[in-house]
Amino acid sequence: EAQVTQNPRYLITVTGKKLTVTCSQNMNHEYMSWYRQDPGLGLRQIYYSMNVEVTDKGDVPEGYKVSRKEKRNFPLILESPSPNQTSLYFCASSSHGGGRQPQHFGDGTRLSIL
Amino acid sequence: GQSLEQPSEVTAVEGAIVQINCTYQTSGFYGLSWYQQHDGGAPTFLSYNALDGLEETGRFSSFLSRSDSYGYLLLQELQMKDSASYFCAVPSGGYNKLIFGAGTRLAVHP
Repeated sequence: EAQVTQNPRYLITVTGKKLTVTCSQNMNHEYMSWYRQDPGLGLRQIYYSMNVEVTDKGDVPEGYKVSRKEKRNFPLILESPSPNQTSLYFCASSSHGGGRQPQHFGDGTRLSIL
Repeated sequence: GQSLEQPSEVTAVEGAIVQINCTYQTSGFYGLSWYQQHDGGAPTFLSYNALDGLEETGRFSSFLSRSDSYGYLLLQELQMKDSASYFCAVPSGGYNKLIFGAGTRLAVHP
């Protein structure tokens, strides 16, 4: 089954404790992206990747890091999480960028930073 | 700046037709996408328009006017299951960078 898998689905943690949210896709997609979703603000892109070792900033990259060492994986790293990073996070992938190809979203990760 | 505007809420009754508008302001335009998201779920792709005109996919259609920087999603024969949030999205600031509107929450009533 074609899917994007995120882990964990839920996480409550404390300020400053490094965390990683994993994302994996099994569709051999080149393009992967991370979004955060906050009430009234829609989806805001954090980082995206056009292919292995090629990443770039989205609209809200501050406080986040990503890496793309393998085509299937695109982890999101919060080096020193803060309460304003409490949000619902989605990973997505598509065959190519540009919006033409459907983005397939993971089920989301709800992060609470205390 | 680069932005997308869509109404925050729309209400309609079962069987009716509803139109959700989206106006965009971007530097360079490639196409307009629409996504649906049910409460507690992930967004799912509905449509993409790169050229002017209407694209129909079953009960859903999407329209684009590049000269007006405007598009809309048309939902016909509304069903209760269409109650969801709908987002428009465009590449902005580069072909691969995507921005989404804040979303339109559609409530379908019996």
